[in-house]
Amino acid sequence: ETGVTQTPRHLVMGMTNKKSLKCEQHLGHNAMYWYKQSAKKPLELMFVYSLEERVENNSVPSRFSPECPNSSHLFLHLHTLQPEDSALYLCASSQETGYGYTFGSGTRLTVV
Amino acid sequence: GIQVEQSPPDLILQEGANSTLRCNFSDSVNNLQWFHQNPWGQLINLFYIPSGTKQNGRLSATTVATERYSLLYISSSQTTDSGVYFCAVEETSGSRLTFGEGTQLTVNP
Repeated sequence: ETGVTQTPRHLVMGMTNKKSLKCEQHLGHNAMYWYKQSAKKPLELMFVYSLEERVENNSVPSRFSPECPNSSHLFLHLHTLQPEDSALYLCASSQETGYGYTFGSGTRLTVV
Repeated sequence: GIQVEQSPPDLILQEGANSTLRCNFSDSVNNLQWFHQNPWGQLINLFYIPSGTKQNGRLSATTVATERYSLLYISSSQTTDSGVYFCAVEETSGSRLTFGEGTQLTVNP
């Protein structure tokens, strides 16, 4: 364990389902991130939260909805996804300065 | 935005060999990090190295910020070194990291 815990590790969902990914960090960091990693592509930054405020949303479709209730928890709510959304979703946290970047183990999502 | 290029894209080694991975970036950066992603998807931070040289066991890294590149050296490679090595840079404008496409390393016994 790296100090950043993601659940679930694997998720299979239909296109009409609603599900949520959870990320929790115990490192005292105050910035949290969602990344998407598709096959044969570099990691894509989706959302950035700093001090619990969303500071970046990289043109992510509205079917992905993040939530950061406090500095230790980050969620990614999913609804009406498409098969091309199948990927590894990685959560990370860091100090606000970017120091100490730490990733969770990821949630491997399959949309059927 | 900033561009990050890694080379080579793929590398196959025999156990015990040495290797050098390269990362070029297109603009000034606050921070550069090297990560190793194991076959199960876990990304582990290897080095936080905006400039200079650092060593950790068989791994070392050098960043020449003025020339916008970084090198990761792996000596006496082991099968457990297999995986994807990513270089990621933090632009001077904020704390978000931009990743390169990675180098897929396979170390054969």
